[in-house]
Amino acid sequence: EADIYQTPRYLVIGTGKKITLECSQTMGHDKMYWYQQDPGMELHLIHYSYGVNSTEKGDLSSESTVSRIRTEHFPLTLESARPSHTSQYLCASSEGQVGGDIQYFGAGTRLSVL
Amino acid sequence: DAKTTQPPSMDCAEGRAANLPCNHSTISGNEYVYWYRQIHSQGPQYIIHGLKNNETNEMASLIITEDRKSSTLILPHATLRDTAVYYCIVRVRYNFNKFYFGSGTKLNVKP
Repeated sequence: EADIYQTPRYLVIGTGKKITLECSQTMGHDKMYWYQQDPGMELHLIHYSYGVNSTEKGDLSSESTVSRIRTEHFPLTLESARPSHTSQYLCASSEGQVGGDIQYFGAGTRLSVL
Repeated sequence: DAKTTQPPSMDCAEGRAANLPCNHSTISGNEYVYWYRQIHSQGPQYIIHGLKNNETNEMASLIITEDRKSSTLILPHATLRDTAVYYCIVRVRYNFNKFYFGSGTKLNVKP
C-alpha cells in the first residue's frame, strides 16, 4: 500500500495570495508528479521530477513552480493566486518495478481562488 | 504515447461482472496498458496493468486482444463501492512525462 499525503485537502484563498501545496511520500520513490484536474475532466500533468534537484514542466502550461530538495517532499507554489487557478491538484509518485511504473496518488488538494 | 477511447459511461448491477472496454488502436509494441479508477473527490487508484498477456489480481482481470488494439477490464463481482471513473492509459514503461489519462468511463453500479 502506498503512502502519499497532500495538505491541505481544501483551500479557499483570495486573489493575489501566495500559496504552497504540500506533497510528501514515505516510500522513497524517486519520481514525483503534479497533475491538475478540473471537475469531471481528465488529468493534466503540470510538473514532474526525476529525483532530488530535478524538475520539469509537463504538458499543461502552469504558472506554478515546484521544488525537490528532498526525496520525500515535492511542494507546489503559486506566487500570486488567481481565480483561473481554481482546480484540483493531485500529487503522485512512482518507482519502477517489473512490468512498468505504477503511480500512487494522493487524495488531492481542492483549491478555490476568490 | 498512444491515445485511448472509452465509452463515457456504463451501468452494472451489483454482484454482476462489470466489463469495461478500451480501444488503443495506435499502441506501440513497447507500450503497456494501465487501468486506474477515481472515486469522487479522491486521487486515482491503480488497478492493474499488462503488456500482452492477460492479467489478474485481487481487484480485477485485464484481457488484452491478440493484436493489442483493445483491452477489457473485468470487475468480477461489482459492488456499490466500485462506482467510479475508470481510466485506461497506454504508455511506454517508465515514460512518466506524458501520462495521458483521457476522460475515462463512469461506471455506475446499481443495487
